[in-house]
Amino acid sequence: KAGVTQTPRYLIKTRGQQVTLSCSPISGHRSVSWYQQTPGQGLQFLFEYFSETQRNKGNFPGRFSGRQFSNSRSEMNVSTLELGDSALYLCASAKSGRAASGSSYNEQFFGPGTRLTVL
Amino acid sequence: EDQVTQSPEALRLQEGESSSLNCSYTVSGLRGLFWYRQDPGKGPEFLFTLYSAGEEKEKERLKATLTKKESFLHITAPKPEDSATYLCAVQAEGTGTASKLTFGTGTRLQVTL
Repeated sequence: KAGVTQTPRYLIKTRGQQVTLSCSPISGHRSVSWYQQTPGQGLQFLFEYFSETQRNKGNFPGRFSGRQFSNSRSEMNVSTLELGDSALYLCASAKSGRAASGSSYNEQFFGPGTRLTVL
Repeated sequence: EDQVTQSPEALRLQEGESSSLNCSYTVSGLRGLFWYRQDPGKGPEFLFTLYSAGEEKEKERLKATLTKKESFLHITAPKPEDSATYLCAVQAEGTGTASKLTFGTGTRLQVTL
């Protein structure tokens, strides 16, 4: 079973430019979340999409945006890049269900990430 | 605000030397606690999800346990290939079916021969 794929794997941009990253979830998974990982802040939640709707959003400025398509593939966009946007951007594909206790759950499987460097 | 604290920050073990990693959390209501393994330059690899206090899960040399305030990842007789950063994350109740995870900063494990 194919895992989560992200493209491109590496990207170098300059300040002020914009960038679009792409994520293809595991087949059958409808939820896609995005995270930013930096050495100083660790993994931080950006947003989540489910059935083409943003369902949850982290504390990032409006320069960070995303969307999801009908086939569950997702893109995130960062406009007016800043040096501090240099990071590993991770996409996670979620599978949901019901645990033995009866409560709902989901498990998230991460892609390899896109390493963005802003010069 | 949900918080996750992992300790120690770094751990160096000799091959075969068992140990435990700690993950302390505060969350308004826990839907799930997740453990991941991450190798340098790669995305986190899913290990376990625990849902309620008292639950335990095992995979090869790893065993995860959960209480109402913390989780432990026990590593039995580790091998050099177990070297990685181990991440703990929580998902809170009240987020509906949304998927937000709050992560700790991880424990960097190095296993030497």
